[in-house]
Amino acid sequence: EVQVVESGGGLVQPGGSLRLSCAASGFPFSSYAMSWVRQAPGKGPEWVAAISGSAGSTYYADSVKGRFTISRDNSKNTLYLQMNRLRAEDTAVYYCPTNTWGSFADLWDFWGRGTLVTVSP
Amino acid sequence: ETVLTQSPATLSLSPGESATLSCTASQSVSTYLSWYQQKPGQAPRLLIYDASNRATGIPARFSGSGSGTDFTLTISGLEPEDFAIYYCQQRSNWPPITFGGGTKVEIK
Repeated sequence: EVQVVESGGGLVQPGGSLRLSCAASGFPFSSYAMSWVRQAPGKGPEWVAAISGSAGSTYYADSVKGRFTISRDNSKNTLYLQMNRLRAEDTAVYYCPTNTWGSFADLWDFWGRGTLVTVSP
Repeated sequence: ETVLTQSPATLSLSPGESATLSCTASQSVSTYLSWYQQKPGQAPRLLIYDASNRATGIPARFSGSGSGTDFTLTISGLEPEDFAIYYCQQRSNWPPITFGGGTKVEIK
């Protein structure tokens, strides 16, 4: 059974840092490209970052480039998002969705519950 | 960046009626266009991928069409559980992967 469980969210002050984790199971994680997608309160989804299965390639939205770093530990089946220099506009629920039939960083038919990040003084 | 524009922003319909939702891309995305449904407090749910393919478990009343820059999601005979927000998403030209602004289908 496919599972992704996001964790690490919380309240952080502007300028602060946070590291999100996504524990994956039920699919060949090391072969799968993965993405982080976020959704601010009352807004639509926004793609944040993607990483290849081998971690050899990474991609970022302009809004987070230079502040966020996506990484993975295939030995632990875990995806990470290191978030630095956080801003109020980074407040959102962060998801690490996946695909149950193939390695797609850009097509997601399984989503976890997400983890809420709140950036506020 | 490929901008996706959805219309209308809100669709007010009664159960049993059909809904037609539009998504227009600022440049061609071929058929790499997906549709997601989202209800309050829930994660998005994949309905349609590659313009016209229903995801696993999605009822046949949901159908997608289009290619290039113009796409349509049709819901034939709205059920009470279909009232939600619908987003289109392109995966042709990335980064970045982009979403539309959403169409809310509400009960009239």
